[in-house]
Amino acid sequence: DIVMTQSPDSLAVSLGERATINCKSSQSVLYSSNNKNYLAWYQQKPGQPPKLLIYWASTRESGVPDRFSGSGSGTDFTLTISSLQAEDVAVYYCQHYYSTPLSFGQGTKLEIK
Amino acid sequence: EVQLVESGGGLVQPGGSLRLSCAASGFTFSSYAMHWVRQAPGKGLEYVSAISSDGVTTYYANSVKGRFTISRDHSKNMLYLQMGSLRTEDMAVYYCAREKSANTDDAFDIWGQGTMVTVSS
Repeated sequence: DIVMTQSPDSLAVSLGERATINCKSSQSVLYSSNNKNYLAWYQQKPGQPPKLLIYWASTRESGVPDRFSGSGSGTDFTLTISSLQAEDVAVYYCQHYYSTPLSFGQGTKLEIK
Repeated sequence: EVQLVESGGGLVQPGGSLRLSCAASGFTFSSYAMHWVRQAPGKGLEYVSAISSDGVTTYYANSVKGRFTISRDHSKNMLYLQMGSLRTEDMAVYYCAREKSANTDDAFDIWGQGTMVTVSS
Protein backbone atom coordinates (compact mmCIF):
# COMPACT_ATOMS: atom_id res chain seq x y z
CA ASP A 1 0.00 0.00 0.00
CA ILE A 2 1.14 3.53 -0.76
CA VAL A 3 1.54 5.74 2.31
CA MET A 4 1.13 9.50 1.93
CA THR A 5 2.99 11.74 4.38
CA GLN A 6 2.39 15.47 4.55
CA SER A 7 4.54 18.16 6.12
CA PRO A 8 4.14 20.20 8.15
CA ASP A 9 1.17 19.04 10.24
CA SER A 10 0.24 22.68 10.80
CA LEU A 11 1.29 25.99 9.34
CA ALA A 12 0.67 29.63 10.20
CA VAL A 13 1.20 32.19 7.46
CA SER A 14 0.54 35.93 7.30
CA LEU A 15 -2.12 37.27 4.98
CA GLY A 16 -0.67 37.91 1.52
CA GLU A 17 2.30 35.64 2.13
CA ARG A 18 3.12 32.32 0.47
CA ALA A 19 2.05 29.02 2.00
CA THR A 20 3.72 25.76 1.02
CA ILE A 21 2.56 22.26 1.92
CA ASN A 22 4.52 19.15 1.06
CA CYS A 23 3.37 15.61 0.35
CA LYS A 24 5.54 12.54 -0.05
CA SER A 25 4.39 9.14 -1.28
CA SER A 26 6.07 5.91 -0.19
CA GLN A 27 6.37 4.89 -3.84
CA SER A 28 6.08 6.67 -7.15
CA VAL A 29 2.60 7.66 -8.31
CA LEU A 30 3.86 8.53 -11.80
CA TYR A 31 2.31 6.22 -14.36
CA SER A 32 4.92 5.77 -17.06
CA SER A 33 2.53 4.90 -19.89
CA ASN A 34 0.84 8.32 -19.83
CA ASN A 35 3.41 10.34 -17.84
CA LYS A 36 0.75 11.42 -15.34
CA ASN A 37 1.14 11.74 -11.60
CA TYR A 38 -1.94 10.27 -9.89
CA LEU A 39 -1.95 12.88 -7.12
CA ALA A 40 -4.69 15.26 -5.96
CA TRP A 41 -5.02 18.03 -3.38
CA TYR A 42 -8.17 18.80 -1.42
CA GLN A 43 -9.23 21.65 0.86
CA GLN A 44 -11.57 21.00 3.77
CA LYS A 45 -13.15 23.74 5.84
CA PRO A 46 -14.89 23.00 9.16
CA GLY A 47 -18.23 21.28 8.75
CA GLN A 48 -17.79 20.88 5.01
CA PRO A 49 -16.79 17.99 2.74
CA PRO A 50 -13.41 18.08 1.03
CA LYS A 51 -13.15 20.17 -2.11
CA LEU A 52 -10.95 19.17 -5.04
CA LEU A 53 -8.30 21.81 -5.76
CA ILE A 54 -5.66 20.10 -7.90
CA TYR A 55 -5.52 16.82 -9.83
CA TRP A 56 -2.82 15.14 -11.92
CA ALA A 57 -0.50 16.88 -9.43
CA SER A 58 -0.68 20.25 -11.16
CA THR A 59 -4.02 20.72 -12.95
CA ARG A 60 -6.25 23.21 -11.21
CA GLU A 61 -9.91 22.25 -10.87
CA SER A 62 -12.40 24.55 -12.55
CA GLY A 63 -13.26 27.53 -10.38
CA VAL A 64 -10.23 27.22 -8.12
CA PRO A 65 -8.36 30.54 -7.77
CA ASP A 66 -5.05 30.70 -9.58
CA ARG A 67 -3.19 31.46 -6.35
CA PHE A 68 -3.39 27.69 -5.77
CA SER A 69 -0.81 25.65 -7.66
CA GLY A 70 0.54 22.13 -7.50
CA SER A 71 3.94 20.81 -8.49
CA GLY A 72 6.16 17.78 -8.19
CA SER A 73 6.52 14.35 -9.71
CA GLY A 74 7.17 10.77 -8.71
CA THR A 75 7.13 10.77 -4.92
CA ASP A 76 7.45 14.44 -3.91
CA PHE A 77 4.72 17.01 -4.35
CA THR A 78 3.93 20.55 -3.23
CA LEU A 79 0.80 22.63 -2.90
CA THR A 80 1.51 26.35 -2.98
CA ILE A 81 -0.82 29.22 -2.14
CA SER A 82 0.93 32.24 -3.59
CA SER A 83 -0.80 34.93 -1.54
CA LEU A 84 -2.76 33.70 1.45
CA GLN A 85 -6.32 34.96 1.83
CA ALA A 86 -8.46 34.70 4.95
CA GLU A 87 -10.79 32.24 3.24
CA ASP A 88 -7.91 29.82 2.69
CA VAL A 89 -7.89 28.81 6.35
CA ALA A 90 -8.60 25.08 6.17
CA VAL A 91 -7.09 21.63 6.37
CA TYR A 92 -5.40 20.46 3.18
CA TYR A 93 -5.02 16.83 2.14
CA CYS A 94 -3.07 15.14 -0.58
CA GLN A 95 -4.35 11.88 -2.05
CA HIS A 96 -2.94 9.36 -4.49
CA TYR A 97 -5.20 7.50 -6.93
CA TYR A 98 -2.45 5.46 -8.55
CA SER A 99 -3.62 2.09 -7.26
CA THR A 100 -5.98 0.45 -4.83
CA PRO A 101 -6.08 1.21 -1.99
CA LEU A 102 -6.24 4.94 -2.60
CA SER A 103 -5.03 6.88 0.43
CA PHE A 104 -4.82 10.35 1.88
CA GLY A 105 -2.13 12.21 3.73
CA GLN A 106 -2.78 13.00 7.38
CA GLY A 107 -3.69 16.61 6.59
CA THR A 108 -2.06 20.01 7.11
CA LYS A 109 -3.90 22.64 9.09
CA LEU A 110 -3.35 26.12 7.65
CA GLU A 111 -3.95 29.15 9.86
CA ILE A 112 -3.39 32.88 9.72
CA LYS A 113 -0.37 34.24 11.61
CA GLU B 1 -26.85 20.41 -10.73
CA VAL B 2 -24.46 17.56 -10.09
CA GLN B 3 -25.11 16.38 -6.56
CA LEU B 4 -24.63 13.58 -4.05
CA VAL B 5 -26.80 13.36 -0.95
CA GLU B 6 -26.08 10.85 1.80
CA SER B 7 -28.60 9.51 4.31
CA GLY B 8 -29.02 6.68 6.77
CA GLY B 9 -26.59 7.68 9.48
CA GLY B 10 -27.52 7.61 13.13
CA LEU B 11 -26.88 6.05 16.51
CA VAL B 12 -26.25 2.32 16.63
CA GLN B 13 -25.01 0.00 19.36
CA PRO B 14 -21.71 -1.86 19.01
CA GLY B 15 -22.30 -4.99 17.00
CA GLY B 16 -25.25 -3.45 15.21
CA SER B 17 -25.93 -2.73 11.56
CA LEU B 18 -26.73 0.30 9.45
CA ARG B 19 -27.23 0.98 5.75
CA LEU B 20 -26.01 4.25 4.29
CA SER B 21 -27.43 5.59 1.05
CA CYS B 22 -26.11 8.11 -1.41
CA ALA B 23 -28.51 9.63 -3.95
CA ALA B 24 -26.86 10.83 -7.15
CA SER B 25 -28.33 13.41 -9.50
CA GLY B 26 -27.31 15.66 -12.38
CA PHE B 27 -25.01 13.17 -14.08
CA THR B 28 -25.04 9.72 -15.69
CA PHE B 29 -24.57 7.72 -12.50
CA SER B 30 -23.96 4.42 -14.26
CA SER B 31 -20.83 5.79 -15.97
CA TYR B 32 -18.82 6.61 -12.86
CA ALA B 33 -16.95 4.63 -10.23
CA MET B 34 -18.05 5.63 -6.75
CA HIS B 35 -16.38 5.67 -3.36
CA TRP B 36 -17.00 5.93 0.36
CA VAL B 37 -14.60 7.94 2.54
CA ARG B 38 -14.99 8.45 6.28
CA GLN B 39 -13.72 10.93 8.82
CA ALA B 40 -13.71 10.24 12.54
CA PRO B 41 -14.38 13.26 14.77
CA GLY B 42 -11.36 15.58 14.67
CA LYS B 43 -9.39 13.20 12.46
CA GLY B 44 -8.30 12.93 8.85
CA LEU B 45 -9.83 11.26 5.82
CA GLU B 46 -9.90 7.46 5.61
CA TYR B 47 -10.66 5.61 2.38
CA VAL B 48 -13.30 2.95 3.01
CA SER B 49 -14.70 1.34 -0.12
CA ALA B 50 -15.12 1.62 -3.86
CA ILE B 51 -17.29 0.18 -6.60
CA SER B 52 -16.72 0.22 -10.34
CA SER B 53 -19.15 1.89 -12.70
CA ASP B 54 -20.69 -1.46 -13.68
CA GLY B 55 -20.86 -2.66 -10.09
CA VAL B 56 -18.72 -5.71 -10.78
CA THR B 57 -15.52 -4.70 -9.01
CA THR B 58 -15.45 -3.65 -5.39
CA TYR B 59 -12.75 -2.72 -2.89
CA TYR B 60 -12.72 -2.56 0.89
CA ALA B 61 -10.18 -1.20 3.33
CA ASN B 62 -8.79 -3.86 5.63
CA SER B 63 -10.47 -2.12 8.56
CA VAL B 64 -13.95 -2.86 7.17
CA LYS B 65 -13.41 -5.95 5.02
CA GLY B 66 -15.92 -8.68 5.82
CA ARG B 67 -18.19 -6.27 7.71
CA PHE B 68 -19.18 -3.69 5.07
CA THR B 69 -20.72 -4.21 1.63
CA ILE B 70 -20.85 -1.59 -1.11
CA SER B 71 -23.48 -1.76 -3.84
CA ARG B 72 -25.26 0.41 -6.37
CA ASP B 73 -28.65 0.54 -8.08
CA HIS B 74 -28.56 2.21 -11.48
CA SER B 75 -32.33 2.22 -11.81
CA LYS B 76 -32.52 4.46 -8.74
CA ASN B 77 -29.18 6.29 -9.11
CA MET B 78 -28.26 5.13 -5.64
CA LEU B 79 -25.05 4.06 -3.93
CA TYR B 80 -25.18 2.04 -0.72
CA LEU B 81 -22.92 0.99 2.11
CA GLN B 82 -24.25 -1.84 4.26
CA MET B 83 -22.37 -1.79 7.55
CA GLY B 84 -22.42 -4.68 10.00
CA SER B 85 -20.69 -5.71 13.24
CA LEU B 86 -20.15 -2.04 13.93
CA ARG B 87 -17.39 -1.01 16.32
CA THR B 88 -16.74 2.21 18.17
CA GLU B 89 -13.87 2.90 15.79
CA ASP B 90 -16.35 3.00 12.89
CA MET B 91 -17.86 6.17 14.32
CA ALA B 92 -17.35 8.88 11.72
CA VAL B 93 -18.88 11.10 9.09
CA TYR B 94 -19.26 9.00 5.96
CA TYR B 95 -18.94 10.73 2.60
CA CYS B 96 -19.78 9.34 -0.82
CA ALA B 97 -17.67 10.69 -3.66
CA ARG B 98 -17.52 10.49 -7.45
CA GLU B 99 -14.44 10.09 -9.60
CA LYS B 100 -13.90 13.05 -11.90
CA SER B 101 -13.56 10.96 -15.07
CA ALA B 102 -15.97 8.35 -16.35
CA ASN B 103 -13.28 6.44 -18.19
CA THR B 104 -10.17 6.28 -16.05
CA ASP B 105 -8.90 6.41 -12.49
CA ASP B 106 -9.21 9.96 -11.30
CA ALA B 107 -9.53 12.30 -8.34
CA PHE B 108 -12.84 12.84 -6.54
CA ASP B 109 -14.58 15.94 -7.87
CA ILE B 110 -18.03 15.59 -6.31
CA TRP B 111 -18.60 14.87 -2.61
CA GLY B 112 -21.76 14.60 -0.59
CA GLN B 113 -22.25 16.56 2.62
CA GLY B 114 -21.75 13.43 4.68
CA THR B 115 -23.82 11.42 7.15
CA MET B 116 -22.76 10.83 10.74
CA VAL B 117 -22.58 7.33 12.18
CA THR B 118 -22.38 7.11 15.96
CA VAL B 119 -21.54 3.76 17.54
CA SER B 120 -22.26 3.75 21.23
CA SER B 121 -24.10 1.76 23.86
